[in-house]
Amino acid sequence: EVQLVESGGGLVQPGGSLRLSCAASGFTFSSYEMNWVRQAPGKGLEWVSYISSSGSTIYYADSVKGRFTISRDNAKNSLYLQMNSLRAEDTAVYYCARFTDADYFDYWGQGTLVTVSS
Amino acid sequence: SYVLTQPPSVSVAPGQTARITCGGNNIGSKSVHWYQQKPGQAPVLVVYDDSDRPSGIPERFSGSNSGNTATLTISRVEAGDEADYYCQVWDSSSDHPYWVFGGGTKLTVL
Repeated sequence: EVQLVESGGGLVQPGGSLRLSCAASGFTFSSYEMNWVRQAPGKGLEWVSYISSSGSTIYYADSVKGRFTISRDNAKNSLYLQMNSLRAEDTAVYYCARFTDADYFDYWGQGTLVTVSS
Repeated sequence: SYVLTQPPSVSVAPGQTARITCGGNNIGSKSVHWYQQKPGQAPVLVVYDDSDRPSGIPERFSGSNSGNTATLTISRVEAGDEADYYCQVWDSSSDHPYWVFGGGTKLTVL
């Protein structure tokens, strides 16, 4: 059974940093591209970042480019999102999502809440 | 950037058919995917590549895509179908790939 479990969310002050993790199991993690998708309270889904299976190709949404860094450790079956210079508008539930080569997200984690507030 | 437009809400009585639209410029040339999200839960893929269903998704869920509108159709609606539904496409028009979601449609079962 595919499982994605996020962790690392919490309350952080504006300008602060946070590192999210996503532990994957039930599939060959190193064979799959992965993404982070977020959802602000009461709002819709927003794609945040993509990483290829090897980690050699990375993309970011314009809203987080230069502040967030996606990475992965295939030996540990883990995906990460380093978030710096956080803003109030980054407040959201952050989901890690497995990606298919047909450009859709077939499995999602349960999400971790990040709250940016003073 | 590419924009997907969904109605904020759709209401339907149990047993009837719900149709949720997703509008975009020439969306018929793209593959459209649909997700169901119930309160407090993660999204679940219900239709991919316009009209295919993942294993475990009832045949009551179907999709179509043509011109400037994609449609998710839910036949014989049940109370358990009440949820938010999001369409999604891949957009390559900018300097790098973008994965775009519609604003979401809240399906209410009367």
